[in-house]
Amino acid sequence: QSVLTQPPSVSAAPGQTVAISCSGGSSNIETNFVFWYQHLPGTAPKLVITDDDRRPSGIPARLSGSKSGTSATLRITGLQTGDEADYYCGSWDTVLPGLVFGGGTRLTVL
Amino acid sequence: QVQLQESGPGLVKASQTLSLTCTVSGDSMFTFSHYWSWIRQPAGRGLEWIGRISSSGSTYYNPSLKSRVTISVDKSRNQFSLGLTSVTAADTAVYYCAGRQRGQGDIDGLDVWGQGAAVSVSS
Repeated sequence: QSVLTQPPSVSAAPGQTVAISCSGGSSNIETNFVFWYQHLPGTAPKLVITDDDRRPSGIPARLSGSKSGTSATLRITGLQTGDEADYYCGSWDTVLPGLVFGGGTRLTVL
Repeated sequence: QVQLQESGPGLVKASQTLSLTCTVSGDSMFTFSHYWSWIRQPAGRGLEWIGRISSSGSTYYNPSLKSRVTISVDKSRNQFSLGLTSVTAADTAVYYCAGRQRGQGDIDGLDVWGQGAAVSVSS
């Protein structure tokens, strides 16, 4: 059971917009930064959103992050087949203490 | 450009110790990052943080693994290592090393990763 909760899967057609949610608590998301990773099978995870809502260099503006209270959201607009991947949220948990991840969301572009 | 490479046995017998090393190339490891971490992913499951080590040698471990984990560093070789004792089938996973480039944001956002090392625990 992951400390952060994500939907197991989401899907949408090419060109559409999808939002992936990440729910946590006062000891992680609410008080610490949220990060989002894109993970393709057989490859290393890739940081796509850092510090709640910033895009690392090279990440397209189609990806955006937001946070409110104990929840965070990754939004991808203009979906492309290349966006198909597993997406994970992560945050530091002050109570544990330790880095915690969501269970991951499989994005399917129909 | 900094690159990470995990190395170690791909097969470990149950009850024994899993040992992996991460070699950092392209820069001095603690010039590039304050902290270096280990993360794993069991087959069909999500990412699990194992722990991290700082430039001063201080460590943080996942509480669920803390009694079995040791992370150490060899600055002269630009390497850091993972030791996990008393392994069981539940420790079968792909193990990643990762870090965060200084000045790029909060230390918990891992922006450089190794390709991963698959480790199986056999009975």
